[in-house]
Amino acid sequence: AQTVTQSQPEMSVQEAETVTLSCTYDTSESNYYLFWYKQPPSRQMILVIRQEAYKQQNATENRFSVNFQKAAKSFSLKISDSQLGDTAMYFCAFTYMNRDDKIIFGKGTRLHILP
Amino acid sequence: EAQVTQNPRYLITVTGKKLTVTCSQNMNHEYMSWYRQDPGLGLRQIYYSMNVEATDKGDVPEGYKVSRKEKRNFPLILESPSPNQTSLYFCASSLYGTYNEQFFGPGTRLTVL
Repeated sequence: AQTVTQSQPEMSVQEAETVTLSCTYDTSESNYYLFWYKQPPSRQMILVIRQEAYKQQNATENRFSVNFQKAAKSFSLKISDSQLGDTAMYFCAFTYMNRDDKIIFGKGTRLHILP
Repeated sequence: EAQVTQNPRYLITVTGKKLTVTCSQNMNHEYMSWYRQDPGLGLRQIYYSMNVEATDKGDVPEGYKVSRKEKRNFPLILESPSPNQTSLYFCASSLYGTYNEQFFGPGTRLTVL
């Protein structure tokens, strides 16, 4: 079964700094999707960014970008110019393309942005 | 407003007393799913549904039931709750499947005594 590992349970950075959250996954297949979801203190989960494995270009959404290394099975999230509103739990997630509709989440990284 | 709603938001109950957590979405999504969130374990998928009358088990289905009789509703049923089902529960929906963005409900905090 596929697994998703987030090796940093908790991180703290100063406001305006750049921070990178790591995520690795294990799969023997080549077609899948990867996600980063954000859960702020309000508990409302929202999608941050999505990456299709067949695309070589790294996905970006404003200050959020990923470093997708397919061969290394690594999918890190970079937050540039971090803001206080970025304080949240971040979950990495994996799902297959055109297979069962299960999704596997990592255990999360709690990120604190310090003023 | 496009949203996923869950009720109740908070529930304290006792072991063995059947309960239902409702979930409803107004976005005409085909896919719906239930997750539980526990400290140190992240989110784990309980059940999901690709469309009406089609449900399937996720990674932690034991002790739970679901039904999908209408597209918009996907209730989670605990027939005989136990303390190890104390958790934060999320319902989510997406247009067609997990490869689409999932929209999450606000969560239900369940405590089983």
